[in-house]
Amino acid sequence: DGGITQSPKYLFRKEGQNVTLSCEQNLNHDAMYWYRQDPGQGLRLIYYSQIVNDFQKGDIAEGYSVSREKKESFPLTVTSAQKNPTAFYLCASTLRPNDGGYGYTFGSGTRLTVV
Amino acid sequence: GENVEQHPSTLSVQEGDSAVIKCTYSDSASNYFPWYKQELGKGPQLIIDIRSNVGEKKDQRIAVTLNKTAKHFSLHITETQPEDSAVYFCAASYGNNNDMRFGAGTRLTVKP
Repeated sequence: DGGITQSPKYLFRKEGQNVTLSCEQNLNHDAMYWYRQDPGQGLRLIYYSQIVNDFQKGDIAEGYSVSREKKESFPLTVTSAQKNPTAFYLCASTLRPNDGGYGYTFGSGTRLTVV
Repeated sequence: GENVEQHPSTLSVQEGDSAVIKCTYSDSASNYFPWYKQELGKGPQLIIDIRSNVGEKKDQRIAVTLNKTAKHFSLHITETQPEDSAVYFCAASYGNNNDMRFGAGTRLTVKP
């Protein structure tokens, strides 16, 4: 079955550590996105990528980094510079981002907790 | 940029009743309006969407209406069932998904 796989489901980070969240899709989608979800808030865009080897900052990119070396993969690194990283992180993809708008396919999310 | 407001934040209905969730958007250029359902511990799933050249769209028990003049759109769920209980998000974009903005979500509870 086609879809988006996020791993791990739960992740714990110590202060000062960098951690990387994995996102893989087999839908042959062009664009991929990372969102952060906090309780009672909508989804906020961290980074997005429309093609391989290119990505753009979203609304809350500070303290995060990404790469897009393969069409299928869009990992997110939460760096020690992100002061409040505890949140639910969602990866999404879509087929043609600039062609009239298409719905996203979301992964199941990664819950990151700072300990 | 686009700003999407969603109301109510929580909604409780009796099984079999209807539920309505409303969203307003700020950018008149927005032309694509999806709705997502998120169950506990899972990612959101697209349940229905509408484009600005259409005023209403239905899919079985769910429907979405769009009022471009007033810049608001609504999700209607009829004959609600307990499995409809979830958080629902609206979103808006103007043909470029990189500009999609989400509402804060509505937690719907359907009581048996």
